Amino acid sequence: DAKTTQPPSMDCAEGRAANLPCNHSTISGNEYVYWYRQIHSQGPQYIIHGLKNNETNEMASLIITEDRKSSTLILPHATLRDTAVYYCIVRVAGGTSYGKLTFGQGTILTVHP
Amino acid sequence: NAGVTQTPKFRILKIGQSMTLQCTQDMNHNYMYWYRQDPGMGLKLIYYSVGAGITDKGEVPNGYNVSRSTTEDFPLRLELAAPSQTSVYFCASSYGVEGAPGNTIYFGEGSWLTVV
Repeated sequence: DAKTTQPPSMDCAEGRAANLPCNHSTISGNEYVYWYRQIHSQGPQYIIHGLKNNETNEMASLIITEDRKSSTLILPHATLRDTAVYYCIVRVAGGTSYGKLTFGQGTILTVHP
Repeated sequence: NAGVTQTPKFRILKIGQSMTLQCTQDMNHNYMYWYRQDPGMGLKLIYYSVGAGITDKGEVPNGYNVSRSTTEDFPLRLELAAPSQTSVYFCASSYGVEGAPGNTIYFGEGSWLTVV
C-alpha cells in the first residue's frame, strides 16, 4: 500500500469548512483513497473513499487531484463533534488485501467554537 | 441492529493469564477483523476472517489466536498475557471486500486491556 503523509494537526472554526490534505505520491492505479476518523476513545468511523473522481456523501467531500498524488477531505460546515483524528489510507480494494488498513498517525482536527 | 459488539470493555490481566475478547456482529457480514491500537499510534491488524471456518494472520498475530465457527462471532484469545499486549483492541466487520459500494468496514467500540 502506498504511503500517505498528513499534517499532524489542524484547527478549524465551528461552522467553517475544514480542508484536510493528504499526500500519496506513490499511489498505484488500482489503489483507492479512504478516509476514516476516530473520535476520542471510540472505534474508527468510515467517512468516504474514492478512486479518481471526486466523491461526496452526507458527511464529506473528497477531492482527488488529476494525477492522484494528493487528495483533500472537506467537511463543509465543521461542528465541535467533528473534533477527531482523521486518517487518510491508500490501498488496493479487493483481491487478497482483506481489511488490511494501514492507519498512520493521522491529522488531529480541533474544531473551535 | 447493534452493529459490532465487543466484550469486555475494560479488563486487567496479570502476566501469564489468558483471556478471550468476544466480538459479535448482527449485520450478516462475511469479513471480520481484529486490530490493536497502542497509545498515540494507528491501528494494526492482528487477524482477519473471510468467512466461517476461515482465518488468517494480519500484521501482528504473535501471542493471539482466533476462531470463526459462525458468521456472527469472531473471538480473539490471548494466551500467556504479556505487558506488550497492553492496548486497545478493536473488532470490525464488512460485508465484502471494501471498495465496492456499501462494503465499508464497521468498527466496534473497543476493549481496553491492561497487562500488569
